[in-house]
Amino acid sequence: EPEVTQTPSHQVTQMGQEVILRCVPISNHLYFYWYRQILGQKVEFLVSFYNNEISEKSEIFDDQFSVERPDGSNFTLKIRSTKLEDSAMYFCASSDLSGSRHEQFFGPGTRLTVL
Amino acid sequence: AQSVSQHNHHVILSEAASLELGCNYSYGGTVNLFWYVQYPGQHLQLLLKYFSGDPLVKGIKGFEAEFIKSKFSFNLRKPSVQWSDTAEYFCAVANSGGYQKVTFGTGTKLQVIP
Repeated sequence: EPEVTQTPSHQVTQMGQEVILRCVPISNHLYFYWYRQILGQKVEFLVSFYNNEISEKSEIFDDQFSVERPDGSNFTLKIRSTKLEDSAMYFCASSDLSGSRHEQFFGPGTRLTVL
Repeated sequence: AQSVSQHNHHVILSEAASLELGCNYSYGGTVNLFWYVQYPGQHLQLLLKYFSGDPLVKGIKGFEAEFIKSKFSFNLRKPSVQWSDTAEYFCAVANSGGYQKVTFGTGTKLQVIP
């Protein structure tokens, strides 16, 4: 069964450093998303991406964040200058276009630890 | 803006007990509703979903949920829980049509005691 994959599974970085989290969505999917889950809190929407542009972003997704689909298979989330509060689990998701039934499939997540 | 409320933050049950986790949502339009499960150390997995049709939805591992539109509720049920059901359960809502932003509830930690 096709699945969303994410790398790395765990990323440790120093405050102020740039990180890039990588995702490979399911191959025929057209909509891509990033969510994050701070430890002990709920999963929060960050951004959705369709047709090579951002469809919607939350207030969390400020200028420090960017997303890119650099080729036909990868979808990346970049944090330019990480802060301690960026420590969280980051989930990528993708969905296809089948009427209104855009079920999202989630990847296993990348745990980001900012020191 | 859509929102989701889960009433129970932590539930402890003995094996074979029945489970019902409450979920209420707030959204003005047509919604799609989901329950996700996150087993310890694992990623989110879809338990079941409601898009339209029969409001009683059956999912994997014996779970079911009932959509009651008048109450804006989508409660999750299982007649007899097992130790392996120990996990965190998230109710979620997404607007119908177009791309979807999924809004999650705060989650309910279920602990099943053997």
